[in-house]
Amino acid sequence: GIQVEQSPPDLILQEGANSTLRCNFSDSVNNLQWFHQNPWGQLINLFYIPSGTKQNGRLSATTVATERYSLLYISSSQTTDSGVYFCAVYALNFGKGTSLLVTP
Amino acid sequence: ETGVTQTPRHLVMGMTNKKSLKCEQHLGHNAMYWYKQSAKKPLELMFVYNFKEQTENNSVPSRFSPECPNSSHLFLHLHTLQPEDSALYLCASSQGPNTGELFFGEGSRLTVL
Repeated sequence: GIQVEQSPPDLILQEGANSTLRCNFSDSVNNLQWFHQNPWGQLINLFYIPSGTKQNGRLSATTVATERYSLLYISSSQTTDSGVYFCAVYALNFGKGTSLLVTP
Repeated sequence: ETGVTQTPRHLVMGMTNKKSLKCEQHLGHNAMYWYKQSAKKPLELMFVYNFKEQTENNSVPSRFSPECPNSSHLFLHLHTLQPEDSALYLCASSQGPNTGELFFGEGSRLTVL
């Protein structure tokens, strides 16, 4: 199957800081998503982004399919951004996640 | 509200009990999935259904028995579980297997005593 690697595994930010999360995948894909898992366990859809760039408020994502990576940008982070961010290639292949803690 | 509803949200059961988890999607999708997420571990895909037919079983023990009576409903029947089966069980749906955006329910947190 397709290998999905996320980095960094853990990240601590002060409120207001910006961050970049990375997702590398081992083969060409046409289905890639970013999720945020909140402290209650629910997976919230952030972006469905097989290629190109999308923005939603303080979050944006870019996938460069030809180079097999995707980036998630969080700007002006808030404490509510804390949680685990997962990248998924198709439904079968999830990365191990980046655990983000934003401190006041 | 993602359009995928799971019940119950929390379940505590003994090793000899039989219980079921239920998932319902209102998105008109054809594919439904069960995932397991143990503490501090990534998601593990358990089963995939497409148009009610099971298309994937990732070597899941037989004490977990899925049922998909139609494209909108998915069940996970549990019997003679072990304490290591305690985990968050997540249901998801998409247009087709590996097609389109994946939407998750809120999860069912299972504790096996």
